[in-house]
Parts: sequence; structure tokens; C-alpha cells
Amino acid sequence: EVQLVESGGDLVQPGRSLALSCAASGFNFQDYAMHWVRQAPGKGLEWVSGLTWNSGRVDYADSVQGRFTISRDNAKNSLYLQMNSLRTEDTALYYCVRDRAAAGHDSFDMWGRGTMVTVSS
Amino acid sequence: DIQMTQTPSSLSASVGDRVTITCRASQNIDNDLNWYQQQPGKAPNLLIHAAATLQSGVPSRFSGSGSGTDFTLTISSLQPEDFATYYCQQSYNTPRTFGQGTKVEIK
Repeated sequence: EVQLVESGGDLVQPGRSLALSCAASGFNFQDYAMHWVRQAPGKGLEWVSGLTWNSGRVDYADSVQGRFTISRDNAKNSLYLQMNSLRTEDTALYYCVRDRAAAGHDSFDMWGRGTMVTVSS
Repeated sequence: DIQMTQTPSSLSASVGDRVTITCRASQNIDNDLNWYQQQPGKAPNLLIHAAATLQSGVPSRFSGSGSGTDFTLTISSLQPEDFATYYCQQSYNTPRTFGQGTKVEIK
């Protein structure tokens, strides 16, 4: 089955760290750029970070630059997001998303179900 | 950053109605514009990419048009399963910004 499955979401205190993972299956993971997109409760969609098929280009939203690190392991068909110095405004459902293109300048044609991150004291 | 502005923010319509949602970019994005549908409690789903190309498996009642800064999503005859929130997104550059969403509700 072609799917993306996120994991790692949790309730954490402000200033702490959390690592998210995304397991891809049913397609050639190494042929696609990948992204993380988040959605705060009751709000719209916000692109967080993305990287090309070979991790040659990595990009971040200004809101997470310097705090979050995206990475991938093509041998394990997995995408990761290391989140440090978490803030209450990082509270959201985090989606793992596939780009239609390897270079990452296309639309998002596959989404996981999301993993919830709650930052609260 | 490129700002994406959708209008309206919400609308009420009946089954069978023709519905149009507009998306405006703050600068030229050629045809690098995508539309997504998000039903309540579910992940978004790609409807249209490159402004006017229907994603595989998406019903033909959905169509997109536009280029440059002004774009439109049209649903030719609204069906019960189309009541959802719709987002536009630019893939012209990074950050890959989304519009604020348009909620389509039942009249």
C-alpha cells in the first residue's frame, strides 16, 4: 500500500525537544522530495520544511529556522524532523508530505495522517 | 515571501450549485499554483496542480484556471462530498505558502 505514516508526536514542555519520523511505503522514496507541513488546531496549513531527493537542498520556514532540522534516510525510506527549543506556537498536527518532483518544486500529492505535537507547561 | 490571498473565506452553497474560489498571489508565480481539498478530520488532498491540471482520480467537476497572480478553482456542480475547506498553494519558490483557506458549507 502506498502510504506515509508519521510518529513521534507528544505533549512536551516549552524549551524541550522532540523528534518526528515518517515511514514511507509502496513507492520509490528516493525519487521524491519530501516536506513537513503543520496545521495548528482550527487553523490553516503552514509549510515547515522540505528537502530534495538527495538532501542536496534543504529549506525551512522562518518560524522554525535554527530550531528544527529535517533529514531523510533513503535506505530506510524514512523522513525525520528534529525539533528543538519548542514553543507553544509549535503546537500543531504535523504532516509528512511527498512532492511530485525529486527537485521539490511541485505540488504535494501524498499526505500522511499526521502526528500531533502539543507544547505546553 | 509570496503572500496568497483567497476569497471568499467561507461560502454557503447548495448541492448542484456552481462554486468559484479565487486565489491571488502577491507577485507573479507563472502557473505554479496548486489547489487542495481538506475534509473535516482528514489530511489535505491534491485536486489541481500547475494551475489547471487535474490530479489523477479527481472528478472532472473540479477545474482550475489562471496564471501570473490571479487564479480560480471552480466546482461545476457541487456534490455532498465537496463540502470541505479548500486551500491554494504556490510552488514557485520557498517558503511554499498556502492561502488561508475557503470553507464551503451547506446552505
